Amino acid sequence: QSALTQPASVSGSPGQSITISCTGTSSDVGGYNYVSWYQQHPGKAPKLMIYEVSNRPSGLSSRFSGSKSGNTASLTISGLQAEDEADYYCSSYTSSSTLVFGGGTKLTVL
Amino acid sequence: QVQLVESGGGLVKPGGSLRLSCAASGFIFNDYYMSWIRQAPGKGLEWVSYISNSGSTIYNADSVKGRFTISRDNAKNSLFLQMNSLRGEDTAIYYCARGHPLGRDAYAIWGQGTKVTVSS
Repeated sequence: QSALTQPASVSGSPGQSITISCTGTSSDVGGYNYVSWYQQHPGKAPKLMIYEVSNRPSGLSSRFSGSKSGNTASLTISGLQAEDEADYYCSSYTSSSTLVFGGGTKLTVL
Repeated sequence: QVQLVESGGGLVKPGGSLRLSCAASGFIFNDYYMSWIRQAPGKGLEWVSYISNSGSTIYNADSVKGRFTISRDNAKNSLFLQMNSLRGEDTAIYYCARGHPLGRDAYAIWGQGTKVTVSS
C-alpha cells in the first residue's frame, strides 16, 4: 500500500488560510469517508484534528476543517496562528482493511 | 485522566525480539479499538497493527506481517506488540493509539511513544 501524497511543505502568514491536500486512490481516499488528519509538533505525539473527512473532535477549534473530492482530501486552516506551525498528516482506511498515512506536510507560519 | 503509557522499547540486534506494552487508564479499555503506529527517525507516521475492542479482529501492515503480533488483555487494560525477526527498518518510535468513540479508523488518544532501535 503506497503512502498518500501530500505536499512536503506549505506556508502562510498569520490570519491567512491555507489548504493541505492528500491524494490517494479509489481504494482508499476515494472509496471511503474514513479520512483523518493529525497535527504533530516536534517531539510530541500526533493529535487528531479531523476524522471521517470533515468531523472535528469535541473542543477542537472551528478554524480547522476538512473536505474531500474524488481521490483527494483537504485540510483547511483559517485564521492561521503561530501555534499552528507543525507537521500535518492525513490517513485513510483502505480496501485491504489497513490504514495508510500521507507522507506529511510541514506548515510554516511566516 | 485518559492516558496511554508505552514501555518495553530499547536497543536490540537484527533478528532479535522485543515485546512492547501499553497500559491504558481513565477509560473503559474494552470499548475501544487500538493500533500501534510507528515513526522512524525524521520520517512520517506508519500504521503497524490494529486490534478490535474484543481482540477478535486483527490487521497488520504488509511490512510486519509474519513478524509482529498485536494482542490485548482487557482484564488488565493492556495492549501488546510482540516483535520478532527485527530489522534495521523497524527502528522507530512506537505509539499505541486509541480509537475515536465515534469515528472509524481515527485515533484520538496517543501515548508518548517508546523508542525501538535495531542495530548491531
